[in-house]
Parts: sequence; structure tokens; C-alpha cells
Amino acid sequence: QVQLVQSGAEVKKPGSSVKVSCKASGGTFSSYTISWVRQAPGQGLEWMGRIIPILGIANYAQKFQGRVTITADKSTSTAYMELSSLRSEDTAVYYCATSKLGRMDVWGQGTTVTVSS
Amino acid sequence: VIWMTQSPSLLSASTGDRVTISCRMSQGISSYLAWYQQKPGKAPELLIYAASTLQSGVPSRFSGSGSGTDFTLTISCLQSEDFATYYCQQYYSFPWTFGQGTKVEIK
Repeated sequence: QVQLVQSGAEVKKPGSSVKVSCKASGGTFSSYTISWVRQAPGQGLEWMGRIIPILGIANYAQKFQGRVTITADKSTSTAYMELSSLRSEDTAVYYCATSKLGRMDVWGQGTTVTVSS
Repeated sequence: VIWMTQSPSLLSASTGDRVTISCRMSQGISSYLAWYQQKPGKAPELLIYAASTLQSGVPSRFSGSGSGTDFTLTISCLQSEDFATYYCQQYYSFPWTFGQGTKVEIK
């Protein structure tokens, strides 16, 4: 069974960037895609994008286009989500999840990103 | 973008109740719909995919139905561990989108 372990909490200044990692273990990294979903405090879930690690191809939600970059390192079975030009509204918990045919069946524990001056 | 209307946003129920949550799409998505359960401070968990297929390990009191634009999640006999927030998600087309969530609370 695949397990996803994310990097630790981050505190960032407005205008800066954050890069969150998601390391997979217990499965074949190239056999699934990785999605990133965020959840602002007290709010619902928001899909940001996903990557197909074996191809290195990513799809992004238009809302984040130009600000988010999702990458994957097959050699370490790790996916990354980098969000730039941070603003206070980006304060949220960021989750990675395996997205098999679109359904997200295994989730990381979440990474809290706080944007504050 | 496919818009989703999930209702109700808040549902008050008692243990043993049968509850239903609705998710309506702005356009048809065939059966490309999943349901998730989320408890406070935890990551979401997949309950149902392909509108009606129960994820492995999920209790059979959970069921899903629907296709096209109208979908329903049913919990046949609410247990104490089921008090949580539930989300629907479409994966028919990008961007994948979630419903606004339904919080199931103790009546």
C-alpha cells in the first residue's frame, strides 16, 4: 500500500515562494499520478493540479496557472508543489494525493503553509 | 469549469438515522464522481468512486448513486464515527472540482 509523507510546516512572507514535497513509499511511483489539493482555514477542498510522474506532464487549475509548478523526481519517488507570489489568501493546508483515474485514494498528512508579514 | 452544488451544507442527525447528501453538476459527468469523508485536522478519505463503487475497507452502510448531473451519498445507519464533513468531487474534466462540503453533526 502506498504511503505519502509530506514536508513540514512553513511560514512565508508575502511575495515569496514555497515548495512542498511529497515522498511516496510502498508502491510503484510511476503507476499513478499525484494531485495537490489545498484547504484554507475553515474552508473546503480545492484542487490545484496533478502530475503524471512517468511522463513529467502536469495539469493545473486555471486559478493557479502561472503561480504553481508541480514536478516529480522519479529517482526519489518524490513530488513537489511550488507556489510563488504568495499572499495571505494562500494560507492553507496543502495535501498531496495519489489520483488513480481521477479519484484521490491515498493522501499525505498535509502541510500547513502560513503566509504572514 | 464544472460547477457543483452540494446540499445540504449542514445536516443534523442522530445515531441510527439514514442520511442523504446531494451533489448536482452544472453539466453531465457520466459517473466520474467520488465522495470523501474528512474529520477535523485530518486528510480526506475516499469513500466512493465511479459514483457507486465502494472503496476497499469502507463500511457497507455507505452507498452512492446517480449519473449524469445528479448524485447522492447515503449513509444507511449513522454511526458515531460518521459525524464528519463530506465532499463530492468530479473528475470528468479539468479542473477537477469539489463540492462545498456537508457537515454532518450530532442532533
